[in-house]
Amino acid sequence: SYVLTQPPSVSVAPGKTARITCGGNNSGSKRVHWYQQKPGRAPVLVTSYDSDRPSGIPERFSGSNSGNTATLTISRVEAGDEADYYCQVWDSTSDHPSYVFGTGTKVTVL
Amino acid sequence: EEQLVESGGGLVQSGGSLRLSCAASGFTVSTNYISWVRQAPGRGLEWVSVIYSGGSTYYADSVKGRFTISRDNSKNTVYVQMKSLRLEDTAVYYCARPTYPMGSFDMWGQGTMVTVSS
Repeated sequence: SYVLTQPPSVSVAPGKTARITCGGNNSGSKRVHWYQQKPGRAPVLVTSYDSDRPSGIPERFSGSNSGNTATLTISRVEAGDEADYYCQVWDSTSDHPSYVFGTGTKVTVL
Repeated sequence: EEQLVESGGGLVQSGGSLRLSCAASGFTVSTNYISWVRQAPGRGLEWVSVIYSGGSTYYADSVKGRFTISRDNSKNTVYVQMKSLRLEDTAVYYCARPTYPMGSFDMWGQGTMVTVSS
């Protein structure tokens, strides 16, 4: 089955830039989506199709995807950005389609 | 306003059964795709199952043969029937809407907790 690997944690100071990676075999050939999840809440889509941003999501959130790594970049980090972040792809390489989530990254704002 | 609301969670013994419901409002489940995603306590997100607008259904290997996803168009509701429940099925179960078969989940419910006890 397809695997997406993320760093367990990322720490960043307010106002700085956080970069969260998502590694998967040839992930550049897939469309990667990113979700933010705060404690006790459902996930919220923050970027889709590698770099699109849903309505209502600040421009500080941006995504990219190339080769074997997708990246979510949070610019000018704020305290409210502290959350868990998950990447996700749709995988059709096995005998049935499936949705694969990354292992998740906890972002801590110092 | 488009919304998904889950219900049906609770405490069940290992080997037991439970049916979760996902009621949609503001859009029609029969012309959309609806999925179930779960999250065990302190763990990450795990995709469980999906039902496509055409009726095709797919499952994660961890639940195949034990879980069945279905929908009732008259009630605009999607269900997941869970049988032979195991301790490792303990999780918050979310229903979510993929925008396309290969798309992102643009809408999530609030989740319902399922606890499997020994």
